[in-house]
This record gives sequence, C-alpha cells and structure tokens, in this order.
Amino acid sequence: EVQLLESGGALVQPGGSLRLSCAASGFTLSSYIMNWVRQAPGKGLEWVSGISADSGGTYHADSVKGRFTISRDNSKNMLFLQISDLRDEDTALYYCARGRGGYWGQGTLVTVSS
Amino acid sequence: DIQMTQSPSSLSASVGDRVTITCRASQGIRNDLGWFQQKPGKAPKRLIYFASSLQSGVPSRFSGSGSGTEFTLTISSLQPEDFATYYCLQHNSFPWTFGQGTKVEIK
Repeated sequence: EVQLLESGGALVQPGGSLRLSCAASGFTLSSYIMNWVRQAPGKGLEWVSGISADSGGTYHADSVKGRFTISRDNSKNMLFLQISDLRDEDTALYYCARGRGGYWGQGTLVTVSS
Repeated sequence: DIQMTQSPSSLSASVGDRVTITCRASQGIRNDLGWFQQKPGKAPKRLIYFASSLQSGVPSRFSGSGSGTEFTLTISSLQPEDFATYYCLQHNSFPWTFGQGTKVEIK
C-alpha cells in the first residue's frame, strides 16, 4: 500500500526556518517525480516545489524561489522541504504528492506567527 | 509560466444534474492535465489523469476531455458524495499550476 507521511510542521516566527519531511512507503521512491503542494486556510491548492526522480532537477514556484529547497534521499525513502525566511503568507497545510498527484499524504501544518 | 483559468468558481446543483467544469491553459499543454476532488479536511484525490483517463476506483460518472488549451471535467449525474471542491492541475512544464478551484454545492 502506498503511503506518504509528512512531518515537521510547527508554529514559527516570521523569518524563521523549518524542515519538512515526507516518509514514503509501499513503492520505489526513486522511480517518481515528487512534489510539495500547500493550501493556506480556506484557500485553493498551490504547487510549491518538485524534484526529478534522480534529484537532477529541482523546481520551485516563484512565490518561494530562493527561500524553499526541495531534496530527497531515495536510499531512505524520504522527501524534504527546507523552508527559510518564513512569511505570514507561508502559513498553510503542506502536502507531499507522488508523481502527477496520484497519491498524497495527509499534510503537515506550518503556521507563521509572532 | 502557464496560467490555468478554471470556471466557474462555484456552482449550485441538484442530485442527478449534469455538471461541467472547465479549465483553460494560457498556452498549449497537450494532455498534461489532471482533475482532483477535495472534501473538507481531506487531502485531494485524483479523478482523471492525462486529461481523459479515469483513475482506478473512480466512478464512471466522472469523465474528462480536451487537449491543448481547453479541458472539461463532467459529472454525468451528480451524487450526494460529489459535493466538494474540484481543481485542475497542469504538469506540462514547471512550475506546475492549479486552477483556482470550483466549489460544487447543493441547490
């Protein structure tokens, strides 16, 4: 059974940093593009970052470019999102998703507030 | 970047109605589009991939069509469990982009 389990969300002050993790199981992580998608409270879905299967390519939305870094460790079946210089507008539920969205985790909540 | 314009933003419909939701891409994306359903408090669920392929386990009342810049999600006969928010996602080129969402409500 495919499972994605996010962790690392927290209440953080503006300007702070956080590392989100996504533990994958039930499939071979190294075979798939992986993505992070977020959803601010009461808002729509926003694609945030993506990474190719072999980590050869990483991609980020303009809204997070230079502040967010996506990475993966295929040997440990893990996906990561390093987020820095957090802003109020980064408050959201962050989901990891496999490939073109066939599987999603349940999300981890990041709240940016002083 | 490719912009996805989804319409309508919301609609009211009755059980048994036929419902159509549209996504328009700012440039051609072949058939690199998926449709997702999201219910409150839940993760999104993919219904359609590559514009017209039905995800395994999804009822056949859901269908997708289109290619290039115009795409449609159709629910042939709306059921009570279909009241939710629907999104399209283009994955033709990075950055991937979602439509703004369509909330389907009970009339």
